[in-house]
Amino acid sequence: ELKVEQNPLFLSMQEGKNYTIYCNYSTTSDRLYWYRQDPGKSLESLFVLLSNGAVKQEGRLMASLDTKARLSTLHITAAVHDLSATYFCAVDTPYDYKLSFGAGTTVTVRA
Amino acid sequence: GAGVSQSPRYKVAKRGQDVALRCDPISGHVSLFWYQQALGQGPEFLTYFQNEAQLDKSGLPSDRFFAERPEGSVSTLKIQRTQQEDSAVYLCASSSPNGDRAYEQYFGPGTRLTVT
Repeated sequence: ELKVEQNPLFLSMQEGKNYTIYCNYSTTSDRLYWYRQDPGKSLESLFVLLSNGAVKQEGRLMASLDTKARLSTLHITAAVHDLSATYFCAVDTPYDYKLSFGAGTTVTVRA
Repeated sequence: GAGVSQSPRYKVAKRGQDVALRCDPISGHVSLFWYQQALGQGPEFLTYFQNEAQLDKSGLPSDRFFAERPEGSVSTLKIQRTQQEDSAVYLCASSSPNGDRAYEQYFGPGTRLTVT
């Protein structure tokens, strides 16, 4: 069974500072995804990471993938209030495309 | 519309009632997924269709759950004799094997089911 673990589960950020969310998964996977979810809303795709060493950046968010360590990180630079949300990582298996999600990291950015 | 749509957005059912949840995927997307998201949790896989074929239903929690996609487009998730533990948000996603975002799943807004 593919397991995905995120940490921390809760993250209180101070505006302007940098933080990292970690995502570990238990078996070989083709693709790793990061999603954002606002309260009461659906999942918004942030990044798709397809290969070892992949790095993608969008605004204050940067995601990277180390397939050998089975680890992805989501780095937040100079946090701002509108980044407050829950962030999920997810992976799919080598043989089908169903996603296995982590438990999510709930981010709150305070002034 | 260009995105995945789901209806109803909210459903309140009394315990024991049957419910049907609808998903309209993005036009042309051959793959369709259903996930269940309990409060404060990540989504969990329920079932997967490729066109009209249900290729994986390993995540359906009991035989009270049934999904279909008879014409390879719209899908319906049916829950019979609802129980309180069925209360959750049911998310539908679709994907295509083509293009530069191949296999990326696009999620609908979800149906929030509350069983009283």
